[in-house]
Amino acid sequence: EVQLVESGGVVVQPGGSLRLSCAASGFTFDDYTMHWVRQAPGKGLEWVSLISWDGGSTYYADSVKGRFTISRDNSKNSLYLQMNSLRTEDTALYYCAKAHRIESSGCPFDYWGQGTLVTVSS
Amino acid sequence: EIVLTQSPGTLSLSPGERATLSCRASQSVSSSYLAWYQQKPGQAPRLLIYGASSRATGIPDRFSGSGSGTDFTLTISRLEPEDFAVYYCQQYGSSQFTFGPGTKVDIK
Repeated sequence: EVQLVESGGVVVQPGGSLRLSCAASGFTFDDYTMHWVRQAPGKGLEWVSLISWDGGSTYYADSVKGRFTISRDNSKNSLYLQMNSLRTEDTALYYCAKAHRIESSGCPFDYWGQGTLVTVSS
Repeated sequence: EIVLTQSPGTLSLSPGERATLSCRASQSVSSSYLAWYQQKPGQAPRLLIYGASSRATGIPDRFSGSGSGTDFTLTISRLEPEDFAVYYCQQYGSSQFTFGPGTKVDIK
C-alpha cells in the first residue's frame, strides 16, 4: 500500500524558515517524480514544486522560486521542502504527491499524503 | 502559464441526477494532459481522470471525462451520496502544473 506521510509543519514568523519532510513507502521511491502541492485554508490547490526521480531536475512555481528548495534522499525514501523567507501568504496545508507514471514528470498525481499545516504569522 | 477556469462555481443537484462540470484552458492543453481530482472535506485530493478521458485505478464508471484543446468536461452520470465534493481540473506539463479553482457539487 502506497503511503505518504508529511511532517514538519508549525507556526513560524514572517521571514522565518522551515523544512518539511515526506516519508514514502509502498512503492519504489526512486522510480517516481515527486511533488509538493499546497492549499491555503478554504482555498484551492496550488502546485509548488517537483523533483525528478533521480533528483536531477527540479521546478518551482513562480510564487516560491528563489525561496523554496525541493530535495530528496532516495536511500531514505524521503522528500523534503526547505522553505525560506516565509510570507503570510505561504500559510497552507502542504501535501506531497507521487507522479502517476514511472520515470515521468509530465503526468498527474496518483497518491497524496494527508498534508502538514504551515502557518506564517507574527 | 496556462490558466484554467471552471464552471459553474457551485452545482446543486440531487442524488441520482447527472452532473456536468466544465474546465476551460487559456491556451491549448498539449496531448490532452488534463486531469480531474475529487476532494472531500478534510481529505487529500483523489485522482479521477487523466489524459482527459482515462479513469484512474478504482474509479467507478459513472465518472467520465471528455474534451480536447481548451475545453474539457467531467460528467458524473448518476450522483451517489459520496460524490458530493469539490472537483478540480489540472493541466500537467513536464515542468509546470496548474489547477482550476474548483467546482463544488452540493446536495440540493
